Amino acid sequence: SQQGEEDPQALSIQEGENATMNCSYKTSINNLQWYRQNSGRGLVHLILIRSNEREKHSGRLRVTLDTSKKSSSLLITASRAADTASYFCANSGAGSYQLTFGKGTKLSVIP
Amino acid sequence: GAVVSQHPSRVICKSGTSVKIECRSLDFQATTMFWYRQFPKQSLMLMATSNEGSKATYEQGVEKDKFLINHASLTLSTLTVTSAHPEDSSFYICSARRPSSYNEQFFGPGTRLTVL
Repeated sequence: SQQGEEDPQALSIQEGENATMNCSYKTSINNLQWYRQNSGRGLVHLILIRSNEREKHSGRLRVTLDTSKKSSSLLITASRAADTASYFCANSGAGSYQLTFGKGTKLSVIP
Repeated sequence: GAVVSQHPSRVICKSGTSVKIECRSLDFQATTMFWYRQFPKQSLMLMATSNEGSKATYEQGVEKDKFLINHASLTLSTLTVTSAHPEDSSFYICSARRPSSYNEQFFGPGTRLTVL
């Protein structure tokens, strides 16, 4: 499986600002999922967007999906210091249960 | 979200010993579980897919005799690192797929393995 790319690799913002992370992938997908990982911990499932959806919201999170560009974005609004973590996108193709992870974006929210 | 546990959370062992890591889905039955390895500051790399009642499917480059996987029930998969060496030191994370049409996967908290 080929990893996708995420940009930026690292992002540092002030508390209260919005954070936007982008993810690109290489093959056609069934759905795309975003995860958060605090340092040295497991992954927390944030949101899943299906290939026929263009936008999805969950609390302060907004995810978009553009299948024509094979890209997705994660927006965190009104960021908090507790949002500091690494964020990964992962996609699965049609007929496959395996997830292919992007390289991740390390977000630092400065109080 | 669904809960997946992993045990132990960290283990230190001597070179040459074997280490078993357990992954449990606590509130749903998982016919498929996955084992990943993560090096510092890197993303997750899939090692193998664990199917309940059948042999695991290993990714290219992963030695099946070194990383033994057993998925004996719908809520438990185990990964045994046999004859561990320092290069096996890593963060191992499992995930469990909740049966649905959307392939949601939920991850355990990970196991930090250090081989001396």
